[in-house]
Amino acid sequence: GQNIDQPTEMTATEGAIVQINCTYQTSGFNGLFWYQQHAGEAPTFLSYNVLDGLEEKGRFSSFLSRSKGYSYLLLKELQMKDSASYLCAVRRTGANNLFFGTGTRLTVIP
Amino acid sequence: EAGVAQSPRYKIIEKRQSVAFWCNPISGHATLYWYQQILGQGPKLLIQFQNNGVVDDSQLPKDRFSAERLKGVDSTLKIQPAKLEDSAVYLCASSLDGGAGNTEAFFGQGTRLTVV
Repeated sequence: GQNIDQPTEMTATEGAIVQINCTYQTSGFNGLFWYQQHAGEAPTFLSYNVLDGLEEKGRFSSFLSRSKGYSYLLLKELQMKDSASYLCAVRRTGANNLFFGTGTRLTVIP
Repeated sequence: EAGVAQSPRYKIIEKRQSVAFWCNPISGHATLYWYQQILGQGPKLLIQFQNNGVVDDSQLPKDRFSAERLKGVDSTLKIQPAKLEDSAVYLCASSLDGGAGNTEAFFGQGTRLTVV
């Protein structure tokens, strides 16, 4: 089976850095994805990790440790528009579809 | 590039009624997914198609839910009869090659279903 744990809510200040953690258990691992979802909108792709280490993309970075079943999403220079839910998802081997966590709702305050 | 199109955007029905949702994936995308997202939760996979064949429908409540993807392009998801707990956003997504490598899934805006 699969299980993903991530904090339900986080609050951070505009201009600051925030780290959203995700731990997972899965029987077959074929990559970890982070998606951003604004209220009432579709999830949009942020990042992908399949090997251990850090992937950087502008203000967003994502880290993966496969041996620990752990990932984090790092958001730098927070902006008000970053207020959204951040979904951690594991792609399972075989069918290659995504299993999502419940998401972390981030609120950025002035 | 046009995104994943879904209709309708909103639907309100009474319990025990039937409802259908439509999805048009991104052109050329072989894989199509239907997800159910209940308020406050992450998306849950209902069914995955590769072209017009079913790859994974292990979490589809087959006594009331059905889906098809004729001709390997558009897809419809049907609920008959609906229950109160089916109230959710139904998201359609597509990907180019079935999820190999870093190919991400692109999501439509979803259909918000309310069952009263």
